[in-house]
Amino acid sequence: EAGVAQSPRYKIIEKRQSVAFWCNPISGHATLYWYQQILGQGPKLLIQFQNNGVVDDSQLPKDRFSAERLKGVDSTLKIQPAKLEDSAVYLCASSLQGANTGELFFGEGSRLTVL
Amino acid sequence: GESVGLHLPTLSVQEGDNSIINCAYSNSASDYFIWYKQESGKGPQFIIDIRSNMDKRQGQRVTVLLNKTVKHLSLQIAATQPGDSAVYFCAENNDYKLSFGAGTTVTVRA
Repeated sequence: EAGVAQSPRYKIIEKRQSVAFWCNPISGHATLYWYQQILGQGPKLLIQFQNNGVVDDSQLPKDRFSAERLKGVDSTLKIQPAKLEDSAVYLCASSLQGANTGELFFGEGSRLTVL
Repeated sequence: GESVGLHLPTLSVQEGDNSIINCAYSNSASDYFIWYKQESGKGPQFIIDIRSNMDKRQGQRVTVLLNKTVKHLSLQIAATQPGDSAVYFCAENNDYKLSFGAGTTVTVRA
């Protein structure tokens, strides 16, 4: 079974530039998550989708971050404009159901460096 | 701040010994807990989970203990191996959202 695919693996940009990350979840998984993991910290949930609807985006900085999950499958996370503090690994995860019913499967992440 | 935390940021263990990683949580309404392992350059990987109606759950070489009275859970790894070197996170489910603690880095000494 293929895992969660993410791209790009690495991205370096200058502050105020924009960046987009792509995620392809495990086939059949209804729930998709984007987490931000700053170096030395645990992952922090940015947004959670159930199919193509948003379940929770309370911790997403909406002035600069946006995410969509068209057709309930792939998802993109965009940052515009980027700030220095956005340097982190952006992890995508998926689960068959919700976070309270089973394990989340994580991708390898997209590492963003903002200069 | 985060509602899930770990007692120690690092743990050094001799190969073959047992490891114990601790985690404290603050939300008494949380009903589901998961331990994840994250190796360098990879995403977190599920190890074992436990629901709040249980005190103990065992897997292959791992055991999770939950003490709801003091809001504490621990992960025990038997006969620690070099491949167990990683960062370990406890995660807490509350209101269908999974929150992670800061993690404990486990280093296995040969």
